[in-house]
Amino acid sequence: DAGVTQSPTHLIKTRGQHVTLRCSPISGHKSVSWYQQVLGQGPQFIFQYYEKEERGRGNFPDRFSARQFPNYSSELNVNALLLGDSALYLCASSLVQGAVYGYTFGSGTRLTVV
Amino acid sequence: SQQGEEDPQALSIQEGENATMNCSYKTSINNLQWYRQNSGRGLVHLILIRSNEREKHSGRLRVTLDTSKKSSSLLITASRAADTASYFCATDLLPNDYKLSFGAGTTVTVRA
Repeated sequence: DAGVTQSPTHLIKTRGQHVTLRCSPISGHKSVSWYQQVLGQGPQFIFQYYEKEERGRGNFPDRFSARQFPNYSSELNVNALLLGDSALYLCASSLVQGAVYGYTFGSGTRLTVV
Repeated sequence: SQQGEEDPQALSIQEGENATMNCSYKTSINNLQWYRQNSGRGLVHLILIRSNEREKHSGRLRVTLDTSKKSSSLLITASRAADTASYFCATDLLPNDYKLSFGAGTTVTVRA
């Protein structure tokens, strides 16, 4: 059974551009969360989606948006990229909405903004 | 700001030794979890301890939780080179809370 898959694995973008990151959760998992991890820091919560609805949003600007599709896969979109958006973006899936069973993380997308 | 803080920031030990790292957090929690991250890639869930539990074991891992001190510790016994990684504690605040708050992590290097 496949784990959480993220694409692409690496990405280089220019300031001001737009980026879309993709995540496929473990089969049967209905919850997808997105985290941003800047080098040397712990992950920071961006969004959680459960049953295709946004259930939580972290302290990120409106340039960040996401959605979840009927098959429970998810996209994270970032507009007007800034140098500070360079980070590892992690997707996590879980069976239920809450964190009670732990999350399964993907390998992440490394975004570099130049 | 991050909820948890790990201590030490970095740890270097010899293979076979035990590694202990600590996590302190600021507000009351529902659960505390430990994750491992190899070379800046994805996080691997290691163990979850609930706020009403004091100690939990999983293989070579032992986690303790002291809610009165708002702290937790992770002990890795008989370390191996493959344990070289960054270790993060993460807390969630409410039943069915939808987010994890991570600390900055402890980087563990196991020398052969």
